[in-house]
Amino acid sequence: GAGVSQSPRYKVAKRGQDVALRCDPISGHVSLFWYQQALGQGPEFLTYFQNEAQLDKSGLPSDRFFAERPEGSVSTLKIQRTQQEDSAVYLCASSLERESPLHFGNGTRLTVT
Amino acid sequence: QKEVEQDPGPLSVPEGAIVSLNCTYSNSAFQYFMWYRQYSRKGPELLMYTYSSGNKEDGRFTAQVDKSSKYISLFIRDSQPSDSATYLCAIALPGGSNYKLTFGKGTLLTVNP
Repeated sequence: GAGVSQSPRYKVAKRGQDVALRCDPISGHVSLFWYQQALGQGPEFLTYFQNEAQLDKSGLPSDRFFAERPEGSVSTLKIQRTQQEDSAVYLCASSLERESPLHFGNGTRLTVT
Repeated sequence: QKEVEQDPGPLSVPEGAIVSLNCTYSNSAFQYFMWYRQYSRKGPELLMYTYSSGNKEDGRFTAQVDKSSKYISLFIRDSQPSDSATYLCAIALPGGSNYKLTFGKGTLLTVNP
C-alpha cells in the first residue's frame, strides 16, 4: 500500500474489556514497531519486530499488552483487561530494514472509559 | 532527568518568521538525531535525519547538532501557515539500535497568516 495503515482509527472500550489494534505495514518492509503516545507527550517505544520475530518488547508496560506478527506482515497489538491509563494513541511504524527511517501510520486512538 | 528535554511551547509566530526549535539530551552515547513533524490526528513524518555534529539543510529547514553541548535544533525559514504542527525531536543509539527512538514531548507551532 501507499503507507502504513492502522485500524480502527478510534476505539472506545469499557474498563476491563480486551481490545485488538491492527497494523498493515508498507509492503516489503521488514521492520515493524509499535509506539504509544499519551496526550501531550512524544511517542514511547513499545515493541519491535523483524519479519515475524519479536526482537524487543522491553517497552510493553505490563503483561496485559501483547503483540504479534505471525506471517511477517500484518501486526496486531492486543491489550487485555484495559485500564484508564491505557488511553492513548497507538502508533505503528515500519521500515525497509532496521536502520532505515521509520514511516508511521496515523494511529489508533484508544479511549478507556 | 528525562533522556530528552523539549520545550512544549506553544509557539506562535507570524508568517515569514524564522522559527527555532530545540532539544537537549542527557546521554552522550546517542548518535542519531531526527526531527519529525506531526499534524493533528496524524502520525509523525520524518523531516530531517543526521548522525553528525554540524548543520544539515533541506529547503527551508536546517537541522543543527552540537554533540559537545548535547543540544539539537531545527530552524524553519520563511515559515508558512502549513508549517503549523507539533515538532518532535527524536534520538537513537548507534550500533543497530536506532529503531528504538526516544522522543521529546514535542513543540506545538502555530504560524499565523
